[in-house]
Amino acid sequence: GAVVSQHPSWVICKSGTSVKIECRSLDFQATTMFWYRQFPKQSLMLMATSNEGSKATYEQGVEKDKFLINHASLTLSTLTVTSAHPEDSSFYICSARETHEQFFGPGTRLTVL
Amino acid sequence: DAKTTQPTSMDCAEGRAANLPCNHSTISGNEYVYWYRQIHSQGPQYIIHGLKNNETNEMASLIITEDRKSSTLILPHATLRDTAVYYCIVRVSGLDTGRRALTFGSGTRLQVQP
Repeated sequence: GAVVSQHPSWVICKSGTSVKIECRSLDFQATTMFWYRQFPKQSLMLMATSNEGSKATYEQGVEKDKFLINHASLTLSTLTVTSAHPEDSSFYICSARETHEQFFGPGTRLTVL
Repeated sequence: DAKTTQPTSMDCAEGRAANLPCNHSTISGNEYVYWYRQIHSQGPQYIIHGLKNNETNEMASLIITEDRKSSTLILPHATLRDTAVYYCIVRVSGLDTGRRALTFGSGTRLQVQP
């Protein structure tokens, strides 16, 4: 199947700093990418849908000014957590669409001190 | 997408078949049954999907009842590495649907015991 990578796999940062997470589709072009967040012992929650060349669509309750998404190319989408706080600590997972199937990245664990 | 119901958790002995049930009584005629799993601290992994016929691949088998209101994912010889949360998702498959994100429920936490 298609491969999706994420970088970094984990990151620890201080409160108030910004963190960028990259999501790449390695062997296919993805016009649509999705960002999920997963808190401990909970299921994946969709944060936003990102379409190449256009603004992301955010789910209700997700602050677009805090979670900046850029999908500038068909193989790369980035999620920037701005002014991170401890409550933003979570497992962030991206997913890329190839034709009508979704493939998931390995996830990025963010810890905000 | 139709709602699914799965048991919260299940145990299975290593080497035995793991049978994971899923109820989807409101499934529509054009909706497929998908199964994904998530091993701890990893992204979800696609396992199998089907419409009405039983399906088998190198990972698992999917048995869908004739009325399509329920299905069972079968891992024929479970290993410790199969310990994960298994998600049953029902959705229409197609180009337009692919533009919408998969929605995950709570899934079934399968613990394979040595």
